[in-house]
Formats: sequence, structure tokens, C-alpha cells
Amino acid sequence: DTGVSQDPRHKITKRGQNVTFRCDPISEHNRLYWYRQTLGQGPEFLTYFQNEAQLEKSRLLSDRFSAERPKGSFSTLEIQRTEQGDSAMYLCATRPLNTEAFFGQGTRLTVV
Amino acid sequence: EDQVTQSPEALRLQEGESSSLNCSYTVSGLRGLFWYRQDPGKGPEFLFTLYSAGEEKEKERLKATLTKKESFLHITAPKPEDSATYLCAVQATGFQKLVFGTGTRLLVSP
Repeated sequence: DTGVSQDPRHKITKRGQNVTFRCDPISEHNRLYWYRQTLGQGPEFLTYFQNEAQLEKSRLLSDRFSAERPKGSFSTLEIQRTEQGDSAMYLCATRPLNTEAFFGQGTRLTVV
Repeated sequence: EDQVTQSPEALRLQEGESSSLNCSYTVSGLRGLFWYRQDPGKGPEFLFTLYSAGEEKEKERLKATLTKKESFLHITAPKPEDSATYLCAVQATGFQKLVFGTGTRLLVSP
């Protein structure tokens, strides 16, 4: 257990619906990341927060995706108007200053 | 663009049969190279960080090494519980994101 909690662990949704995932990081870790991983691939970077500021965003993060980290604590990732191509594992990771990243167990999204 | 290539894609070993996994990378400036282990349906678990060519790190049956173009993860006398996907990632200087390879799926048979 890395101490990074993600909720829910699994989500099945119909195409076109909105979904929101939550990540609760280790309390003293001010850096938080979201990654997406599809079957047989490595994780792909989506976005990075330092405290409450979103400092890096991938081109993969289309207009349908939005992430927030209010008050530099937990973070949410919302996908609007889901598509079948959004089906993947969504991973949250946190790290203190200049050390390795600790990943949560992920949220498995299936869009039907 | 930063890139990580891992080989082989899959590796099957007998228990006790040592081998190495390869991670080749191109990066504008290396801040760090990371090795993670991932079990099915779970998030990646941190193994090692390497920062400069010539650096080596060990943990139980695993040893990671780094050159200017690639990293190796050596597995000595593996056991069935070492079966997992091993992921390599690089962080470029000035950036926070990790760029991952597609991983090597390792299966160790008793």
C-alpha cells in the first residue's frame, strides 16, 4: 500500500455520460500526477499539479477532460461525454520533492 | 521527443534462470530513469531510480544499471513471485512527467 487512494476502483458507464474520479494523495506530497494506461501499454502522462496549480498538461488531455486539485489536497479527474476510446486504467501518482513517484491502485473505466 | 523502448516484450524463465531486461531511451537531458513493477490490475510499484551513467542499484534478486543510452534490469535466480510486468520510465530535465516504455512481461515458472 503506497498510501495513495483512488476511488472508485472500477467504473462502468454508458457512452456519452460524464464520470469523475478521485485521488487522495499522501498528505505531505505536494506533487500530484494523472496518467492513463491502456492494455499492453505503459502509463501515459495526462497532467501534473504542484499544490493546487496545474503546471503541465498533455496534448492527450482533450477539452472533454478536466482535472482539479482544490487547496492542494485531493484531486479529481472528470471526463465529459465519454467515448469508448476513453476505456482505460486511470492512475494517480504523488511524490515529495525530487524523489520517486508513488502510484495508487488506479480506477478501471469501461465505456459501453 | 523523449522515447523509451523496452525489450523483450515478454520473457519466460524457469525458476533460478537468470536474465536481463533492456530499456533503451532517448531524452533531451536525463533527470532520472525509473524502474517499476506492475502486477495485473494494480498500479506500478517503485523499484529503483538511477540518475547518472555508471550508477547501479540492487534490491534482493534485482539489480539495475545505467549507461548513457540504456538501462538493464538484471534478475538473478528468479522465483515465481517475480512474475510481473516491469516498466521503465525517464524524466527529462525541466519536466515533471515520466515517459514510460510499454514494459516487459516476465513469467517465471516453477
